[in-house]
Amino acid sequence: EAGVAQSPRYKIIEKRQSVAFWCNPISGHATLYWYQQILGQGPKLLIQFQNNGVVDDSQLPKDRFSAERLKGVDSTLKIQPAKLEDSAVYLCASSLDGNPESGYTFGSGTRLTVV
Amino acid sequence: AQSVTQLGSHVSVSEGALVLLRCNYSSSVPPYLFWYVQYPNQGLQLLLKYTSAATLVKGINGFEAEFKKSETSFHLTKPSAHMSDAAEYFCAVSGNNRLAFGKGNQVVVIP
Repeated sequence: EAGVAQSPRYKIIEKRQSVAFWCNPISGHATLYWYQQILGQGPKLLIQFQNNGVVDDSQLPKDRFSAERLKGVDSTLKIQPAKLEDSAVYLCASSLDGNPESGYTFGSGTRLTVV
Repeated sequence: AQSVTQLGSHVSVSEGALVLLRCNYSSSVPPYLFWYVQYPNQGLQLLLKYTSAATLVKGINGFEAEFKKSETSFHLTKPSAHMSDAAEYFCAVSGNNRLAFGKGNQVVVIP
């Protein structure tokens, strides 16, 4: 089966600019996650979707970050305006139903550099 | 809330020597535990997972981990390190249908 697709792979922007990332999960996976991985740290959950609804966005900096999954399939994560500390790898993951027995599959990530 | 702790960000191991990466968890309920590997410029790949079946879990690439409830641990081992094992390794615990990760161990294999 095809994996989790993410684009772009790399992005370099200046601070205060905006940027968007795209994720296409595995077909049929209802649960989708966005994680932020800062260099030298473990991934941190930003937002979790169940179909097109938000389950948890408590760690999402809502003043600058937004995410949507309008049709319950692919998702976009946006940052506006970007700050230097947003430099990180943004990982998308999907799961059949979020149940750990079902497992979680990760995409290759988008590496963002804010200069 | 569930969490995991990984100590020692960088681990150096000689080729052919034992690889041991430590992970301790905190959970109010029986945990589901995972080890992931991340190669440079790639996403996270599942090595193995514990889901309350056998306490000794075997994964890919010769890795295994043992769940010890008395020690709240889920350490990852491989008897003989290979150069291709150089990567970053993350322990994670599942709670509320999502994963919480440790800080990771960067493994360097010395020829």
